[in-house]
Amino acid sequence: DIVMTQSPDSLAVSLGERATIDCKSSQSVLHSSNNKNYLAWYQRKPGQPPKLLIYWASTRESGVPDRFSGSGSGTDFTLTISSLQADDVAVYYCQQYYSVPPTFGGGTKVEI
Amino acid sequence: EVQLMESGGGLVQPGGSLRLSCAASGFTFSNFGMGWVRQAPGKGLEWISFVSRSMRTIKYADSVKGRFTISRDNARNSLYLQMNSLRGDDTAVYYCARDAEWELPHYLDYWGQGTLVTVSS
Repeated sequence: DIVMTQSPDSLAVSLGERATIDCKSSQSVLHSSNNKNYLAWYQRKPGQPPKLLIYWASTRESGVPDRFSGSGSGTDFTLTISSLQADDVAVYYCQQYYSVPPTFGGGTKVEI
Repeated sequence: EVQLMESGGGLVQPGGSLRLSCAASGFTFSNFGMGWVRQAPGKGLEWISFVSRSMRTIKYADSVKGRFTISRDNARNSLYLQMNSLRGDDTAVYYCARDAEWELPHYLDYWGQGTLVTVSS
């Protein structure tokens, strides 16, 4: 199984500041046949189910604010919140879907 | 509006069985793969199963293989998870989720609210 490792486990960011979350996979999730990274990001607020933010490592889901962006390729990926809002307090997870079973990172808790 | 509503969770003794259901609405259910993901108390997300739109492809996590069975009824817009030989480490909130792909597990673009399964004597 591909192991997904997120860092940090938690971070506190001031309102309006940038938040950066890293995700590293134990093997490449870049598929050579289509040059796509099989990597997604989710946001999980307390009492709510996870919400898809980013897929194919950098494609923003419809309706997701453009302050959220995904980058990276191969084994190293980053989720960036460019200007943190109070509504962004949540736990963020990365997930690879390159191989079965799909696996999630351990999560990063973002606080103000 | 896409909606997924799980039901069937509850308290069950170790070794017991439970069947979870997920009622889908707001989209053409038969066009999408579907999956189950769980989150144990204090733990992260764990993908546990996927079924393709035609049920031709079914996948399981090793942790549930041989004990859990995923199925779907496209006529009823419903997804199911039959859970047998339940253990304490199966205690979790179970989420039904729509897969963005129809044949193999990919990312999950809609999630239900979840149903709690507690395995305890």
